[in-house]
Amino acid sequence: GENVEQHPSTLSVQEGDSAVIKCTYSDSASNYFPWYKQELGKRPQLIIDIRSNVGEKKDQRIAVTLNKTAKHFSLHITETQPEDSAVYFCAAVNSGNTPLVFGKGTRLSVIA
Amino acid sequence: GAVVSQHPSRVICKSGTSVKIECRSLDFQATTMFWYRQFPKQSLMLMATSNEGSKATYEQGVEKDKFLINHASLTLSTLTVTSAHPEDSSFYICSARDLWGGSVSEQFFGPGTRLTVL
Repeated sequence: GENVEQHPSTLSVQEGDSAVIKCTYSDSASNYFPWYKQELGKRPQLIIDIRSNVGEKKDQRIAVTLNKTAKHFSLHITETQPEDSAVYFCAAVNSGNTPLVFGKGTRLSVIA
Repeated sequence: GAVVSQHPSRVICKSGTSVKIECRSLDFQATTMFWYRQFPKQSLMLMATSNEGSKATYEQGVEKDKFLINHASLTLSTLTVTSAHPEDSSFYICSARDLWGGSVSEQFFGPGTRLTVL
């Protein structure tokens, strides 16, 4: 089955700096890669996703890149703000009836 | 986007009792729902896949007789934690996809249920 590795587990950045979180996946058939932001005690919230037919996607300060050959995908947050502080999870899946497989999460702290 | 509700949001129970958690898709039909468990400072771990009208598929290490799943309709799945013990205390989250959308798409999460077993 699919296995998703996520790094780093914790990340601290100064406000205004960029943050990068990286994930790798094992199943070459996976074709959908979402990123979720989770605040303490709340549900994961989708912040951006990418499909396997696209190499990069951007939404304001957030971007995701995908390298299918290397089975890597990354989340990039620019101009970080204190409200970006949360736990971020990457995930991968290959079909509609199968569940997302999550990485272990990255705790991002943005220091004002 | 599609909305998934979950009830209750919090429950505290005594050891040995059973607790039922409901997961509903409010504005779409979900033939498949997923149940996750999340311990403090850890990731979401899949417990089981709930299929409407058939038996759930449990992940390795998850006791099907302890975590009873019923998916009675296209909008409702329930998870019953039977004979709960303190080690079952966790954050339980359900999710579903709107399969009528076609290809693989966003998995919508419920708000979660915080279970505390005393």
